[in-house]
Amino acid sequence: RKEVEQDPGPFNVPEGATVAFNCTYSNSASQSFFWYRQDCRKEPKLLMSVYSSGNEDGRFTAQLNRASQYISLLIRDSKLSDSATYLCVVNRGGNQFYFGTGTSLTVIP
Amino acid sequence: DAGITQSPRHKVTETGTPVTLRCHQTENHRYMYWYRQDPGHGLRLIHYSYGVKDTDKGEVSDGYSVSRSKTEDFLLTLESATSSQTSVYFCAINRGLNNSPLHFGNGTRLTVT
Repeated sequence: RKEVEQDPGPFNVPEGATVAFNCTYSNSASQSFFWYRQDCRKEPKLLMSVYSSGNEDGRFTAQLNRASQYISLLIRDSKLSDSATYLCVVNRGGNQFYFGTGTSLTVIP
Repeated sequence: DAGITQSPRHKVTETGTPVTLRCHQTENHRYMYWYRQDPGHGLRLIHYSYGVKDTDKGEVSDGYSVSRSKTEDFLLTLESATSSQTSVYFCAINRGLNNSPLHFGNGTRLTVT
């Protein structure tokens, strides 16, 4: 079983829509969680860390559910510029970072 | 930007030739990593370093070696490149504190013909 699993999509949504991605992780000892954004042929860039109580940054909300071992990312009021691949990253402590394969989002005018 | 530079940005080489990729950071972070990214696999760890001259293998280390003689530089060497090593290579750094994220360089696109 993969350490981190994401629905690859693609998700095609109209501008202004709300879209949610989920990511599941297999190891209950995982300690920290992140969402990254990756544009085509570019490096992954940190979008936000995910905290136990959930956190929000503008139109983006991240949630962590330790009991069910998943994290989620909610994007409200989608913009064309949100089109990208979103990577879920889980850290099991130390240097053990595990990556999902990414979820592709296209926001349509 | 996190102050990470990778070079070269693009490289085409022939099977059997040695190739060295360079990662340079200006952040004085202790931890540095080399990943490769391939379709359907996500990012996979090749090697990482936790200090000068301190390195360890990752998930896909076969065919690769690394060196870190200075805090700011982490080199990845393909001793004898193979077509299966055609990939996009990303360097990343980490402060090493609890819950600190990775920050990535802008990548090297390597093609082995």
